[in-house]
Amino acid sequence: GQSLEQPSEVTAVEGAIVQINCTYQTSGFYGLSWYQQHDGGAPTFLSYNALDGLEETGRFSSFLSRSDSYGYLLLQELQMKDSASYFCAFRPGGYNKLIFGAGTRLAVHP
Amino acid sequence: EAQVTQNPRYLITVTGKKLTVTCSQNMNHEYMSWYRQDPGLGLRQIYYSMNVEVTDKGDVPEGYKVSRKEKRNFPLILESPSPNQTSLYFCASSPGQALYEQYFGPGTRLTVT
Repeated sequence: GQSLEQPSEVTAVEGAIVQINCTYQTSGFYGLSWYQQHDGGAPTFLSYNALDGLEETGRFSSFLSRSDSYGYLLLQELQMKDSASYFCAFRPGGYNKLIFGAGTRLAVHP
Repeated sequence: EAQVTQNPRYLITVTGKKLTVTCSQNMNHEYMSWYRQDPGLGLRQIYYSMNVEVTDKGDVPEGYKVSRKEKRNFPLILESPSPNQTSLYFCASSPGQALYEQYFGPGTRLTVT
């Protein structure tokens, strides 16, 4: 089958670093995407890893290991506005769709 | 401003009363898709369209219809809504080759009583 697993909740303090893990299962795979969704808002695209390794975009970085079917989103210098849900997603090989994980709710505390 | 718009944003209806949720994008994207979001289940794809007159089922298509007569519009039709279709619905679009980066509309919260 095709699925993703990510923790349901993560808590961190302002200024800290947090890592949100994502493991996936699929027979074919193009790459791993990450989306952010604030309460009451729409998902917005954060990053995409087509190849193994680390992609950095400002305070956010994303990592992919195809051999381990694993990726993570790293958020540095956490701010209160980073409190949101984060979803990993992938496009299965041969399909024209994204499959999303159930999401990780990040709570940032002062 | 590049955007995906949906209407209505909120809708309360009764079982069996046909409804349409509109979706429009101004980015000339080939790919458009509808998702529903339910607590603990993430986003599940209902239908998608690779281009005008090309649509296909996603993971949860039962009870829904779509059409793609123009590139910018992709309406979602519920012919006979039922309470299990109460959900938050998102329309999304992306350039044809970049499905990994989708642009989402603001969402439509539908309640079927």
